[in-house]
Amino acid sequence: DAGITQSPRHKVTETGTPVTLRCHQTENHRYMYWYRQDPGHGLRLIHYSYGVKDTDKGEVSDGYSVSRSKTEDFLLTLESATSSQTSVYFCAISEADFNQPQHFGDGTRLSIL
Amino acid sequence: AQSVTQLDSQVPVFEEAPVELRCNYSSSVSVYLFWYVQYPNQGLQLLLKYLSGSTLVKGINGFEAEFNKSQTSFHLRKPSVHISDTAEYFCAVKSGGSNYKLTFGKGTLLTVNP
Repeated sequence: DAGITQSPRHKVTETGTPVTLRCHQTENHRYMYWYRQDPGHGLRLIHYSYGVKDTDKGEVSDGYSVSRSKTEDFLLTLESATSSQTSVYFCAISEADFNQPQHFGDGTRLSIL
Repeated sequence: AQSVTQLDSQVPVFEEAPVELRCNYSSSVSVYLFWYVQYPNQGLQLLLKYLSGSTLVKGINGFEAEFNKSQTSFHLRKPSVHISDTAEYFCAVKSGGSNYKLTFGKGTLLTVNP
């Protein structure tokens, strides 16, 4: 299995609070991604990174920001959490974008009350 | 723009029966295709991938898929399923011109009954 660790694995918080999710990889892969998974929607890309300090938006980026200061760490921040951001969040990595598959972490279940 | 349609949201089958999970895609350029499996409370695991070459691709756990360019399909098959194959299956496509975007279908829940 790809060396991907997501933390925390579960979190419950209140509307309006800031939340940061961490993805840590030991594979030295260049590309990292954050997805959210919701029933009936499959997986949707939030943000991705193509190198240290190089990030870009995905299809559902509103309300989220990311940072990547080291190759191994990719952080997802909800500046002011809303109930609509209750979801399961997955981090993924890939060695090279061109035609390589992405490998996924085990996810973070986030509940915003 | 690329898109993926998984034609069945749920597929119930009996143990040892064959199964086919259907996936159609749309893209105006060349594509790379993937199937992932997700067991309860876990992340997605790569089952198989089509990058180029032979249109019949074999993956883990006895699954295989066939790339059909004219039908824009990439259906997943297994000749005899086990209870342990119960999971959600996702088809995904990346097109040659999309840079980083991997587009997923909405998933098919395969339930194998004894």
